[in-house]
Amino acid sequence: AQSVAQPEDQVNVAEGNPLTVKCTYSVSGNPYLFWYVQYPNRGLQFLLKYITGDNLVKGSYGFEAEFNKSQTSFHLKKPSALVSDSALYFCAVRETNTGTASKLTFGTGTRLQVTL
Amino acid sequence: NAGVTQTPKFRVLKTGQSMTLLCAQDMNHEYMYWYRQDPGMGLRLIHYSVGEGTTAKGEVPDGYNVSRLKKQNFLLGLESAAPSQTSVYFCASNPVRGGSEAFFGQGTRLTVV
Repeated sequence: AQSVAQPEDQVNVAEGNPLTVKCTYSVSGNPYLFWYVQYPNRGLQFLLKYITGDNLVKGSYGFEAEFNKSQTSFHLKKPSALVSDSALYFCAVRETNTGTASKLTFGTGTRLQVTL
Repeated sequence: NAGVTQTPKFRVLKTGQSMTLLCAQDMNHEYMYWYRQDPGMGLRLIHYSVGEGTTAKGEVPDGYNVSRLKKQNFLLGLESAAPSQTSVYFCASNPVRGGSEAFFGQGTRLTVV
């Protein structure tokens, strides 16, 4: 069964500093990996994804993520955090074998708090 | 282009009452999902559908039923609501292509008293 782990419930960063939100995954085959962001009282918004190819993926709002197959990780990064980045971030995985009906499995989420 | 629309946005139920949550998408997506979001537990899959007329159980299906009579609609039913079903419910859809991202509705906040 596929699974996602986000080891940090909350990450605190000062504005202007780099940020990292960690994600590790487990699948039996090759993964599709996604990051979503959720602002208060809103649905999830897509940030970026890894399908294949370059291990460094760039997404919306200056975010990027690095796929590391040997460490089964897909950490979300941003070089310079903004207060407006404060939100709940979810990592998700889907197996490339569509025999599992393309189920998307989410981590428990990491709350990012960016302060002045 | 509305995307994924959930109805209603808020609801309070008494224990034992029934209700249906409606999810509608206008992107012609094959796959649709119902998740519940609880503090500290992330999003958990309740039921999903890979096409019109098909449904399947997710990881927390007990107490819920679903139907996908039309491709654009995915209904989630609670036959006899329990306080443990107090949660925020999200619907999502995506195309068949596995690398496609899912699109989410704005959520339904359900309280069972």
